[in-house]
Amino acid sequence: GAGVSQSPSNKVTEKGKDVELRCDPISGHTALYWYRQSLGQGLEFLIYFQGNSAPDKSGLPSDRFSAERTGGSVSTLTIQRTQQEDSAVYLCASSLGNAFTDTQYFGPGTRLTVL
Amino acid sequence: GNSVTQMEGPVTLSEEAFLTINCTYTATGYPSLFWYVQYPGEGLQLLLKATKADDKGSNKGFEATYRKETTSFHLEKGSVQVSDSAVYFCALSGFNQFYFGTGTSLTVIP
Repeated sequence: GAGVSQSPSNKVTEKGKDVELRCDPISGHTALYWYRQSLGQGLEFLIYFQGNSAPDKSGLPSDRFSAERTGGSVSTLTIQRTQQEDSAVYLCASSLGNAFTDTQYFGPGTRLTVL
Repeated sequence: GNSVTQMEGPVTLSEEAFLTINCTYTATGYPSLFWYVQYPGEGLQLLLKATKADDKGSNKGFEATYRKETTSFHLEKGSVQVSDSAVYFCALSGFNQFYFGTGTSLTVIP
């Protein structure tokens, strides 16, 4: 069956521009997660959704980052006024139910390069 | 705060050697613990998990035991294969957050 998909797979942008990253979770999965993986770093947790609700947004690196999820399905991560330090691979994952014990299924990621 | 520390890589082993990748954690409460694996050219996938103290997670010959007394979740395999070459990530779930280690790269040579 279809896994988690993310688009675009690669995004190159200029410093100061806004970007929008999209995640399509596995159908029926209620929890959705966003992570960032910078070169040589582990995965940095950004935010998760249970349904359309994000209980805790404190993992977002700055107020330039925002995320939303609509219809309990697709999610978008928006980065405003991008900076070079935002360059990373942004990973999305989804899980069937309980966000803290269920298996997360990861997408292939979006590689963001800010020039 | 919560955190995960795993052994630095890269690790290179010969086929059929014994593997241990150390993982220790700091957490409040009772987190769930996970090992995820990323094979070359593929996305992250769950390898095994344990949701409470003394639980043992196992999959594909890999095992890890949730040790609360030593705050550890070391990954072991008795006999590695070339196909086990990958990057392994230890992770824990905290309150509304998830924490991943920096990953340990394993290369198994024939």
